[in-house]
Amino acid sequence: DAKTTQPTSMDCAEGRAANLPCNHSTISGNEYVYWYRQIHSQGPQYIIHGLKNNETNEMASLIITEDRKSSTLILPHATLRDTAVYYCIAHGSSNTGKLIFGQGTTLQVKP
Amino acid sequence: GAGVSQSPRYKVAKRGQDVALRCDPISGHVSLFWYQQALGQGPEFLTYFQNEAQLDKSGLPSDRFFAERPEGSVSTLKIQRTQQEDSAVYLCASSLQKDTQYFGPGTRLTVL
Repeated sequence: DAKTTQPTSMDCAEGRAANLPCNHSTISGNEYVYWYRQIHSQGPQYIIHGLKNNETNEMASLIITEDRKSSTLILPHATLRDTAVYYCIAHGSSNTGKLIFGQGTTLQVKP
Repeated sequence: GAGVSQSPRYKVAKRGQDVALRCDPISGHVSLFWYQQALGQGPEFLTYFQNEAQLDKSGLPSDRFFAERPEGSVSTLKIQRTQQEDSAVYLCASSLQKDTQYFGPGTRLTVL
């Protein structure tokens, strides 16, 4: 799976949109971009994933650039409960399908 | 609905003790993964099962670590002769095939 690069930390004001960037310049054609988050003392929680097209669900939106070398996770109206470590993972189902986590971005939502 | 459950949630062991950690995946999920998460780090892959077959154990750090899933459902991760460096959160995840993985809450192991 391709390596991803994320900022170490970000702050966001409560009620504002949180935009979390991720670079995955070596992503291959069959690899999806997955986003998970991990709230303190909990297991990672699946948020969203996409291949080429932008995706939206009840939790977030995922914007993938046309060249697929980067993406942005958007939490439209961040709340204090969105404070967590956010992991961007480029993942194909080759081999065993194991996920390779990096350090992630620690998002701090402030009142 | 029922998600992935793990037990115990917390385990304290004396150095040299054996421990067994249990994972109950989502019903019907074929794939099951174990990860280890050290403090302040992202989870790291340990091993993978497809039904009862252990297809990848490349992430197990030593031969003291052993995992099984005898009936293709519940899985147990066993650590023999625990060492302090085994202290970590052990996460289990399951997926329908090799797609989206859903994680349990983890077991925090502390080895004294």
